[in-house]
Amino acid sequence: EAGVAQSPRYKIIEKRQSVAFWCNPISGHATLYWYQQILGQGPKLLIQFQNNGVVDDSQLPKDRFSAERLKGVDSTLKIQPAKLEDSAVYLCASSPKLSTGMSFEETQYFGPGTRLLVL
Amino acid sequence: GIQVEQSPPDLILQEGANSTLRCNFSDSVNNLQWFHQNPWGQLINLFYIPSGTKQNGRLSATTVATERYSLLYISSSQTTDSGVYFCAVDSMDSNYQLIWGAGTKLIIKP
Repeated sequence: EAGVAQSPRYKIIEKRQSVAFWCNPISGHATLYWYQQILGQGPKLLIQFQNNGVVDDSQLPKDRFSAERLKGVDSTLKIQPAKLEDSAVYLCASSPKLSTGMSFEETQYFGPGTRLLVL
Repeated sequence: GIQVEQSPPDLILQEGANSTLRCNFSDSVNNLQWFHQNPWGQLINLFYIPSGTKQNGRLSATTVATERYSLLYISSSQTTDSGVYFCAVDSMDSNYQLIWGAGTKLIIKP
């Protein structure tokens, strides 16, 4: 089974430029997540999609960040314009909903991430 | 909101040693997961364990939900176990979004 794919793996841009990241989740996974991970910290959720609908984007800086998952499969995350503090690793994850009796086990599978450096 | 604390923050061991990593959480949780992030940044889910005990090879985990902690055991450590181990929980309070601890950085020396 292929894992979560992300591209590009690395990106260096200057502040005020724009950048876009792409994610292709594991086939059949309904839920897709974008996280931001700053060096030395745990991941922070930016946005969660269920199929092509947004479940939670409360921590997405909407003045500069946008994300879409038009056909309920792959997704893009865009930053426009970028700031120095956006330097981080951007992780995409996907999950199925696995029924285990009375509860759902929603294990998240992560892609390799995109390392962004804003100069 | 719910708080997640991991200890120790850093751990350096010789190959072959055993280790115990701890995760404390401040409120009842719906879900608890342990992840390993290797030195190249790849995050791998190790366990989905909101309660009870699970084992997978040299790794095992125990969550005592009533006392709000989880333990990850690594036996006979190998250099490939190096990296950062994260505990993440979700609850109704977090709107079922994962809240992550700061991680335990583990270095296994050959």
